[in-house]
Amino acid sequence: QVQLQESGPGLVKPSQTLSLTCPVSGVSIRSETYYWSWIRQPAGKGLEWIGRVYNTGYTNYNPSLMSRVTISVDTSTNQLSLSLYSVTAADTAIYYCARGPGRDSGEAFDIWGQGTTVTISP
Amino acid sequence: QSALTQPPSVSGSPGQSVTISCTGSSSDVGYYNRVSWYQQPPGTAPKLIIYEVSNRPSGVPDRFSGSKSGNTASLTISGLQAEDEADYYCSSFTSSVTWEFGGGTKLTVL
Repeated sequence: QVQLQESGPGLVKPSQTLSLTCPVSGVSIRSETYYWSWIRQPAGKGLEWIGRVYNTGYTNYNPSLMSRVTISVDTSTNQLSLSLYSVTAADTAIYYCARGPGRDSGEAFDIWGQGTTVTISP
Repeated sequence: QSALTQPPSVSGSPGQSVTISCTGSSSDVGYYNRVSWYQQPPGTAPKLIIYEVSNRPSGVPDRFSGSKSGNTASLTISGLQAEDEADYYCSSFTSSVTWEFGGGTKLTVL
């Protein structure tokens, strides 16, 4: 059973860097041909795809965030990471990690973590 | 403002059918069959219910079905049940090699 669990600080100051990790269990990132994504959702609003990463480190990003974001994988610890730089209050949201999208996940986000709330505030 | 347009809300009585639309463009929904749908009850993470326009993951009831015509994808829920009350989101691959979501539709079971 594949499981994802986001973790990181719940409060980040404006202009600083938001850093989250997502350990993956039940599947090896190194040996399986899946992409892994980060998605966020401001309170009461819709979903926004941030970007995805493959086990080689290959990435695709949302153009609206590309200049401020880095997504990476660590195959030795079987986890993916998100770094969002120079944050503002507009980055306050629930952040989800998810498997996909890609050919082996039906071109969809087929498994999601439970999400972690990040607030940007002094 | 979301690139994919969904109605903010739909409603139906138990046993009825409802359809939620997701309108994009020829650069996303209209060109690729990489449209998926997600169900999100309050306070929970989204759950995949339809992938590649019309395929259901294992465990998703066949009351949920998906289709596409031109630039618009649709999710139909037949035999509405109280447990179907949730927010529903569509998603599509784009020609820019990105993924976008619709703004979400709140389903109310009357």
